[in-house]
Parts: sequence; C-alpha cells; structure tokens
Amino acid sequence: KAGVTQTPRYLIKTRGQQVTLSCSPISGHRSVSWYQQTPGQGLQFLFEYFSETQRNKGNFPGRFSGRQFSNSRSEMNVSTLELGDSALYLCASREGAHTEAFFGQGTRLTVV
Amino acid sequence: GNSVTQMEGPVTLSEEAFLTINCTYTATGYPSLFWYVQYPGEGLQLLLKATKADDKGSNKGFEATYRKETTSFHLEKGSVQVSDSAVYFCALSMSVDQFYFGTGTSLTVIP
Repeated sequence: KAGVTQTPRYLIKTRGQQVTLSCSPISGHRSVSWYQQTPGQGLQFLFEYFSETQRNKGNFPGRFSGRQFSNSRSEMNVSTLELGDSALYLCASREGAHTEAFFGQGTRLTVV
Repeated sequence: GNSVTQMEGPVTLSEEAFLTINCTYTATGYPSLFWYVQYPGEGLQLLLKATKADDKGSNKGFEATYRKETTSFHLEKGSVQVSDSAVYFCALSMSVDQFYFGTGTSLTVIP
C-alpha cells in the first residue's frame, strides 16, 4: 500500500496570502488528522476528519480550516498568513480506534 | 485532561551504549501508547505501540512497557547505533481521539 502523501513538500508564501495543503491518506483509512510542528511549540493538533466530517478541532484560530472529500483525501487551508504560521504541517491517517497513525512527510511552509 | 511528559533532551550517547528515554502520561481513561521517531526533514514514523496495561511494544531493538501503576511508557534500547540518531516522541491516543505528543527527545549517537 502507498503511504500518506502530502503535497507540496515545500511552500514559500508572503504574509497575507492564503495557502492550501493536500493530503492523500493510506487506502482504506477514513480518519485524517493535521498537526502543526514548530521548534517552539512542538506538535500541535489542528483538526481531524472522518468520513467528510470534522470530528475534533484543536485550539487554532479560524484562519485554519480543512475539509475531507468522499475519497478521504483532505485539504487544509490557512488564510491571511502570518509569519508565525511558518511550520512543518503533518498529515496523518489511521484505520480506526486504538490504531496507530501513519504520517506523511509533511509540507514545510515558510511565510516571509 | 490528557498529556504526555517526556524526558528533556538532547541526549548524546556513544555507540553501543544503553538508551532510556522516560515518558509519563496523564489520561482520563485507558489510552493506547506509542513511540514515534522523526529523522531530519521527515515525518513521524511509528516505532512501537502498546494498547493495554502490561503490554510490551518492541521493534528494531527498542522496547517499551505500558505501566498503568506508574503511568509510564519508557523507551529502552540495549545498544544504540549511529543510525538511531533522531528525535523520539512519546504519544497517547484515546480511542478515536487526537494524538497527544510529548515535546520530543533528540538523540545523537557518536561513533
């Protein structure tokens, strides 16, 4: 089976712009989660989708949003980018309850 | 609430040394516990897991035992190699909930 695929791997954006990141989960996995990783804050949970419904949301401003499609692929969007949004954004998929999460390689977003 | 406390790093060891990275957790129920490893420029890879008390997870010479009485899941390896240099994350998950990660412990193994 192919692993979790995130595109693009690297992005450079300007403050105020918006960005969309994409995640294709492992085939058959219906749960997709997003995490932000920064040196200062570590790994922080953004949101989780299951069967196209947002099931959990972390403590991030409304500029961060996401969605999941019927084929389980997910996108996250960040609007009005700020310098502090520079981070590695990781997507993870899992098969079900009490199972491990499989992570993609991440998208490195740099806001200048 | 749910949280994971992980041993602060960085940790530097000589090749073939014994490794322990401490991890304790707080959970409102009965979590599953995980260790993930992250190599530079990469995402997280599952190293091992345990889903109930007294379970021992093991992989590639690494081991961790789920201790409910001490709420711990310490990572150990008897003889580290240079290729084990990476950042290690302890994590817990409650059923279908999000993963709660520790802050990560950076390990450098020198020849």
